[in-house]
Amino acid sequence: EDKVVQSPLSLVVHEGDTVTLNCSYEVTNFRSLLWYKQEKKAPTFLFMLTSSGIEKKSGRLSSILDKKELSSILNITATQTGDSAIYLCAVTTPGTYKYIFGTGTRLKVLA
Amino acid sequence: NAGVTQTPKFRVLKTGQSMTLLCAQDMNHEYMYWYRQDPGMGLRLIHYSVGEGTTAKGEVPDGYNVSRLKKQNFLLGLESAAPSQTSVYFCASSYGNRDSETQYFGPGTRLLVL
Repeated sequence: EDKVVQSPLSLVVHEGDTVTLNCSYEVTNFRSLLWYKQEKKAPTFLFMLTSSGIEKKSGRLSSILDKKELSSILNITATQTGDSAIYLCAVTTPGTYKYIFGTGTRLKVLA
Repeated sequence: NAGVTQTPKFRVLKTGQSMTLLCAQDMNHEYMYWYRQDPGMGLRLIHYSVGEGTTAKGEVPDGYNVSRLKKQNFLLGLESAAPSQTSVYFCASSYGNRDSETQYFGPGTRLLVL
């Protein structure tokens, strides 16, 4: 059964800290991995990663895929209170139209 | 361009009542999805559609039905609501092609079944 596991489940840090969130997957065939940020309502898209292994960056956020380890990390540097959210990871597989989501990591950044 | 919209935003039902949740998108997306989100469970796929007139079961389809009569709309029905269906429901849509796999989510519908 295809599975996506995120760790840690929750994390509390102080402003200015750097955090690393993990997403590992077990799927029969891999196509892409997506990261989303969910604040109070709908998840919003952050990054999409493929087997190319190219790191994606946006401001203080960056993410990369490790094909060997079947995992991805999401780094957030110089955290701010506005980074407090649930971070979701999802994997897609070829030939299907489904996104397999992990349970998410709840990040709280204290002022 | 409203993106993905959902109605209603919040609803309280009694056990056994029925209701329909409406999802609409104006991005001409082929694929549409219904998820439910419960604490500690992440997003679980209920049903999805890869085009007008087609639907398929997801991970947790029992107790739900869907219809996609028009490309822009995806309806989720609960025929006889149960307390276990208390959840936040999200609709999402995507182009469904290799170069653009991002899903766009609606704001969610909070459903409470008493």
